Amino acid sequence: RKEVEQDPGPFNVPEGATVAFNCTYSNSASQSFFWYRQDCRKEPKLLMSVYSSGNEDGRFTAQLNRASQYISLLIRDSKLSDSATYLCVVTYTGGFKTIFGAGTRLFVKA
Amino acid sequence: DVKVTQSSRYLVKRTGEKVFLECVQDMDHENMFWYRQDPGLGLRLIYFSYDVKMKEKGDIPEGYSVSREKKERFSLILESASTNQTSMYLCASSFPGTRQETQYFGPGTRLLVL
Repeated sequence: RKEVEQDPGPFNVPEGATVAFNCTYSNSASQSFFWYRQDCRKEPKLLMSVYSSGNEDGRFTAQLNRASQYISLLIRDSKLSDSATYLCVVTYTGGFKTIFGAGTRLFVKA
Repeated sequence: DVKVTQSSRYLVKRTGEKVFLECVQDMDHENMFWYRQDPGLGLRLIYFSYDVKMKEKGDIPEGYSVSREKKERFSLILESASTNQTSMYLCASSFPGTRQETQYFGPGTRLLVL
């Protein structure tokens, strides 16, 4: 079993749709959680951190459920420019142990 | 803006060759990382370094070595390239302390070993 698991997708949604991704992790000692975005043939970039209380950044909302060991990302009012792969990232041991999920591909179409 | 650069975007090498991948960051980060990314497997950590001349093995260090002689530069070495090392290689760096989890990536090097 992978330490961080994501649905690979792809998710194909129309512009304006709301789409949600989930990610599960297996190590209960995990400390910090993130969503990264990776465009085709580009490097991953931090999208947002994920906090236990949940956090929002514009159209993006991230939530963490430690009891069930999953994190989620909600994208509202999808834009064409949201098309990318979204990577779930979990760290522990002071940040040196970082596990990346394989990513979920999102295609937003006009 | 944090900038992480990698020496090559694309490389083609032959089996058995020694390959050097260079990474430079300009933000005075203590931590630097080398990953490889393969379809369906995500990013896998090869080596990381938390200080000059310090290195630690990641999850898949076999067939690789690293060098960190200067703070801003972290090199990945494939001692004898093999076809199963064909991959995308990504370098990253981060601050120490409470912000260390946020990693900044270079553009990647696509390596093809024939």
